[in-house]
Amino acid sequence: DAGVIQSPRHEVTEMGQEVTLRCKPISGHDYLFWYRQTMMRGLELLIYFNNNVPIDDSGMPEDRFSAKMPNASFSTLKIQPSEPRDSAVYFCASSLEGGVFSPQHFGDGTRLSIL
Amino acid sequence: AQSVTQLDSHVSVSEGTPVLLRCNYSSSYSPSLFWYVQHPNKGLQLLLKYTSAATLVKGINGFEAEFKKSETSFHLTKPSAHMSDAAEYFCVVTPRGGRRALTFGSGTRLQVQP
Repeated sequence: DAGVIQSPRHEVTEMGQEVTLRCKPISGHDYLFWYRQTMMRGLELLIYFNNNVPIDDSGMPEDRFSAKMPNASFSTLKIQPSEPRDSAVYFCASSLEGGVFSPQHFGDGTRLSIL
Repeated sequence: AQSVTQLDSHVSVSEGTPVLLRCNYSSSYSPSLFWYVQHPNKGLQLLLKYTSAATLVKGINGFEAEFKKSETSFHLTKPSAHMSDAAEYFCVVTPRGGRRALTFGSGTRLQVQP
């Protein structure tokens, strides 16, 4: 039973470059979440989707960040242009329902370093 | 509004001794509460959840937590620590019945000494 799959696992790039993070949720899950984890701020929700539609993007830091979900099995988080302060671990999670009875399943994350 | 406070950033125990990780919450709504565990370089994994049924909740790997409304607490316990329990643990709150996002605590890093 495949879990949430994220790619790449690690990304190192120079500031100003475009970065694209990818996520494949668990098949059949209707909700997809993007999180960012840093030492300073802990785990923060960036955006979440229900049935491929963005529901709440209030956690997206600024216009440099964008997320899409073109179909039920794929989502991207894009940063353009990237800055050193974007360095963090980015997690994708999916759940069967958005309500509290359905636990979120997390991928192993993408460790992003912006030089 | 809702928030969660994990009272200890680090906890160190010896293998075979009890574990106690403390969590207090505040919520304007009747909350649901979770504990997640994160092993190094891994995503978060659900340990257990409280959703208004029994106040004592049993989870995986021998962990359990008790919901105490009067104390607004949801502490995580385990009778006997194992080396594999060394990880970071997150207490999480969300209002019940809605689609609100999870609110994560700052995490407690558990060290288990041999």
